[in-house]
Amino acid sequence: AQKITQTQPGMFVQEKEAVTLDCTYDTSDPSYGLFWYKQPSSGEMIFLIYQGSYDQQNATEGRYSLNFQKARKSANLVISASQLGDSAMYFCAMRGMNAGGTSYGKLTFGQGTILTVHP
Amino acid sequence: DAMVIQNPRYQVTQFGKPVTLSCSQTLNHNVMYWYQQKSSQAPKLLFHYYDKDFNNEADTPDNFQSRRPNTSFCFLDIRSPGLGDAAMYLCATSREGTGQETQYFGPGTRLLVL
Repeated sequence: AQKITQTQPGMFVQEKEAVTLDCTYDTSDPSYGLFWYKQPSSGEMIFLIYQGSYDQQNATEGRYSLNFQKARKSANLVISASQLGDSAMYFCAMRGMNAGGTSYGKLTFGQGTILTVHP
Repeated sequence: DAMVIQNPRYQVTQFGKPVTLSCSQTLNHNVMYWYQQKSSQAPKLLFHYYDKDFNNEADTPDNFQSRRPNTSFCFLDIRSPGLGDAAMYLCATSREGTGQETQYFGPGTRLLVL
């Protein structure tokens, strides 16, 4: 079974500052993929960034980076230079991967963190 | 732009009156998913289609059905909506067999049951 834990129900950050959203996971799969999604108040789930468990480097996508610490089973999202439009719910999620490197099984979500960016 | 489209964005129905939500995609993905999301909660997978193969989650009520007439379209049918079915319904797609298999979501349909 897979489990995702997001321990921060809400986070506040000042505009233009960096913020880290925490995510820890538990799985017995030898390989897996980790995802972060953003959900604004409009409801759409927006894919932000992906990290494979065997990727050598931490993933980055523009202002988003993933601080992946495999031994600690953590996959924290770092948002640099926060903008007012970053205010949203953020979900961490994972899927197992089979020996062939393809994903299987359903996406397991954490409970989410509400980020509020102050001007 | 390739995308996942959901119609309508807002749906109001009466208690017990059947309702259908629709999802279409231009990504040519082989898997389509339906999620239910209640306020301040994570999305909950109801079922998914892998090509034409339907996969139901064990705890999805029988009141919820789905149809996928072709690759591009998928429908969620709620046969007799109850007040507890009021939620956001999210459609997602992915292309399985490519490695990362990221799920891409549509904008969702907010369902209100009166």
